[in-house]
Amino acid sequence: DAKTTQPNSMESNEEEPVHLPCNHSTISGTDYIHWYRQLPSQGPEYVIHGLTSNVNNRMASLAIAEDRKSSTLILHRATLRDAAVYYCILREGSGYALNFGKGTSLLVTP
Amino acid sequence: SAVISQKPSRDICQRGTSLTIQCQVDSQVTMMFWYRQQPGQSLTLIATANQGSEATYESGFVIDKFPISRPNLTFSTLTVSNMSPEDSSIYLCSVEFIGSGNGNEQYFGPGTRLTVT
Repeated sequence: DAKTTQPNSMESNEEEPVHLPCNHSTISGTDYIHWYRQLPSQGPEYVIHGLTSNVNNRMASLAIAEDRKSSTLILHRATLRDAAVYYCILREGSGYALNFGKGTSLLVTP
Repeated sequence: SAVISQKPSRDICQRGTSLTIQCQVDSQVTMMFWYRQQPGQSLTLIATANQGSEATYESGFVIDKFPISRPNLTFSTLTVSNMSPEDSSIYLCSVEFIGSGNGNEQYFGPGTRLTVT
């Protein structure tokens, strides 16, 4: 499986934008870029995914580099409830399990 | 979307015993997976639960230790057998609908927190 590299931790102030980076230099042409997050004491939850184009949904935006070797998850206005571990995961397509790395622990301060 | 429940939510067990964890989904799903999350660690895939056939295990996990059943499209069980303290973890099931298009999302249960003494 292609691997991803994320910073261990990041900190943000409440109500400010957060940019969470992910490097995936060995990504293949068929890999989708998925982001999940895990809030304390909960199972992971889906955030967003994309293949080549930037994506937006109600939770976040995903910006994908033109060469697809990196991506950035953007939380437009961080809230205290966004404090979680964010995982950037590459996946070939539907039906495959998720290969979780260590993720980025996001701390949001008031 | 899917609503997933797991039973029990937590348990404390003695070494040498076995525990069966249930995963129930509110709708029929194509894929079901079992993950383990050891204290302070990320999630590791144990196996894919296949409906009507034997589960597909990842390297390092064997059927004798982690037998899995999936009798239908909404239910699966994971048994942790002959437990030792090293089995103390959170066990999570996840599900996925396979429809048109790729890159579908997975939904996770709340997890079962197991402590082995």
